Amino acid sequence: SYVLTQPPSVSVAPGQTARITCGGNDIGIKSVHWYQQKPGQAPVLVVYADSDRPSGIPERFSGSNSGNTATLTISRVEAGDEAGYYCQVWDSSSDHLVVFGGGTKLTVL
Amino acid sequence: EVQLVESGGGLVQPGGSPRLSCAASGFTFRNYNMNWVRQAPGKGLEWVSHISSSGSTIYYADSVKGRFTISRDNAKNSLYLQMNSLRAEDTAVYYCARHLFGNYFDCWGQGTLVTVSS
Repeated sequence: SYVLTQPPSVSVAPGQTARITCGGNDIGIKSVHWYQQKPGQAPVLVVYADSDRPSGIPERFSGSNSGNTATLTISRVEAGDEAGYYCQVWDSSSDHLVVFGGGTKLTVL
Repeated sequence: EVQLVESGGGLVQPGGSPRLSCAASGFTFRNYNMNWVRQAPGKGLEWVSHISSSGSTIYYADSVKGRFTISRDNAKNSLYLQMNSLRAEDTAVYYCARHLFGNYFDCWGQGTLVTVSS
């Protein structure tokens, strides 16, 4: 089945830009979605279809996808952005339809 | 307000057979595909199962195929997960999630914890 690879952790100072990657074979031809999960809470969709933002998600959150890497970019990072972030794709080529990356813990220094 | 509320979790002995429920409100449940996603303690998200809006199309992750059964009752706005032959590695928080046309999940429940232990 399809595999998505994320770095286990990313650290950034407040006010800086965080970039969280999600690697996969030809991921650029797939639609990538990103979720934020804070401790003890359910995941929240922050970016869908590579670069669209749901209502209520700050413009600081953006996404891109090309080649073998999708990227979630968080500009002007705030302490409240500290969380786990997961990428996700739909893999219609197999019975394992929904694939999540292993997750990245964003630490705000 | 769109809301999903899971229930049915708890401490279960190995080999046990609990049934999880997810009560939906604030939207037309029968129009949406739904999924179960789980998260073992300290681990990442793992997709478990998918059911189409009518219930006619169902998929499972290999890790639960043959042991878990997903179903829904559109008249009761409810999603279910019948879990059989539970193992220690099934210990996780189980979330139900609404599935949108672009194949992503826009709404999640708060989760229900299933702990498999003797």
